[in-house]
Amino acid sequence: AQTVTQSQPEMSVQEAETVTLSCTYDTSESDYYLFWYKQPPSRQMILVIRQEAYKQQNATENRFSVNFQKAAKSFSLKISDSQLGDAAMYFCAYRSRDTGNQFYFGTGTSLTVIP
Amino acid sequence: DADVTQTPRNRITKTGKRIMLECSQTKGHDRMYWYRQDPGLGLRLIYYSFDVKDINKGEISDGYSVSRQAQAKFSLSLESAIPNQTALYFCATSDFGIRADTQYFGPGTRLTVL
Repeated sequence: AQTVTQSQPEMSVQEAETVTLSCTYDTSESDYYLFWYKQPPSRQMILVIRQEAYKQQNATENRFSVNFQKAAKSFSLKISDSQLGDAAMYFCAYRSRDTGNQFYFGTGTSLTVIP
Repeated sequence: DADVTQTPRNRITKTGKRIMLECSQTKGHDRMYWYRQDPGLGLRLIYYSFDVKDINKGEISDGYSVSRQAQAKFSLSLESAIPNQTALYFCATSDFGIRADTQYFGPGTRLTVL
């Protein structure tokens, strides 16, 4: 099974600053999807951004962008101009394109935004 | 209205009791999933279903069973609850084919087994 590793259990950022959350994954597949999900205190899992492995261009969604390094199997999330509402648990996830529809999640990074 | 709903949102039960968690969706997706979330462990897949007649075990299916009553409904049962099943449970759905790359989650059920 694929593994997804988030090595930063907790991170903090000053409001309006930029923060980067790290994610690495282990796979032998060449085609797959990667995701970042946000879980605020409400517990709802919210999709932040997705990346298709066959696309070289890094995905961007407003203040959220990724740095996808396929050879290094790295998928970091950059949050620019951090806002108080960005405070949440962030999960990195992997989905194979070929071997079924299972998702594999990392253990999460808790992000605190300091006013 | 929410596309994926779960009932109950919170539940406290005792060891040995049978409990059912229910999930309904209005997204029209064929694929449904049950996950549990534990602190420090992320989300782990319990069961998943690609359609009403197709149910598959996930990473941690022991102690759980599921029922896919209809395309829109997928229930998770704990036949005899034990304290280490205390967790946050999520239902999720996804489309199929090239649209199957994103999952949509319900609001979660907080289950406590005493």
